[in-house]
Amino acid sequence: DTAVSQTPKYLVTQMGNDKSIKCEQNLGHDTMYWYKQDSKKFLKIMFSYNNKELIINETVPNRFSPKSPDKAHLNLHINSLELGDSAVYFCASSQDRGAYYNEQFFGPGTRLTVL
Amino acid sequence: AQTVTQSQPEMSVQEAETVTLSCTYDTSESDYYLFWYKQPPSRQMILVIRQEAYKQQNATENRFSVNFQKAAKSFSLKISDSQLGDAAMYFCAYRSGPLTSGTYKYIFGTGTRLKVLA
Repeated sequence: DTAVSQTPKYLVTQMGNDKSIKCEQNLGHDTMYWYKQDSKKFLKIMFSYNNKELIINETVPNRFSPKSPDKAHLNLHINSLELGDSAVYFCASSQDRGAYYNEQFFGPGTRLTVL
Repeated sequence: AQTVTQSQPEMSVQEAETVTLSCTYDTSESDYYLFWYKQPPSRQMILVIRQEAYKQQNATENRFSVNFQKAAKSFSLKISDSQLGDAAMYFCAYRSGPLTSGTYKYIFGTGTRLKVLA
């Protein structure tokens, strides 16, 4: 069973389009995250949600809008895509409350290419 | 604010040899977690090893071990008997103490690319 899954794994689109990436975790974790990994492999936090509530928003342009319908899902919608949005986007989850070990579990990543 | 620094963008090691990847961090917290993640070409992020700051004993997982120096804020990863499958990007990560929300913040270093030579 896949612990953290993302769809799609690859996304190629034109500048100006709107696209969404979906993330689901079946680990029962209460916190989920979105990271952006650029071409230099630098991994930067974008958002985190705890039980559907936004906790961290790291100065991400408001073209990016996360949505958490329930604590097992955290989707990322991107409006008016720009060339600089090309990157690999990772979803992750962790069990922060009541857990002894608190590492993050990552999805396989979505490679977004904006042409 | 906490920071994590990996000063080695790239390292090479001969198969079966030992290599050490460096990581330093800056924090004013006393209780935190540190992690090493591996990212092979498949892109999947895989946890290699974790260390609780309150534990003096260095963590070990098979061929992987850490040298945790809390006072020096250093957390290096040693890979013994390197294998071709160890070739990957390695990220050092810091987990903060609890935020006001009760959750935590994870901060990643910039990564070290490890090449394993046959």
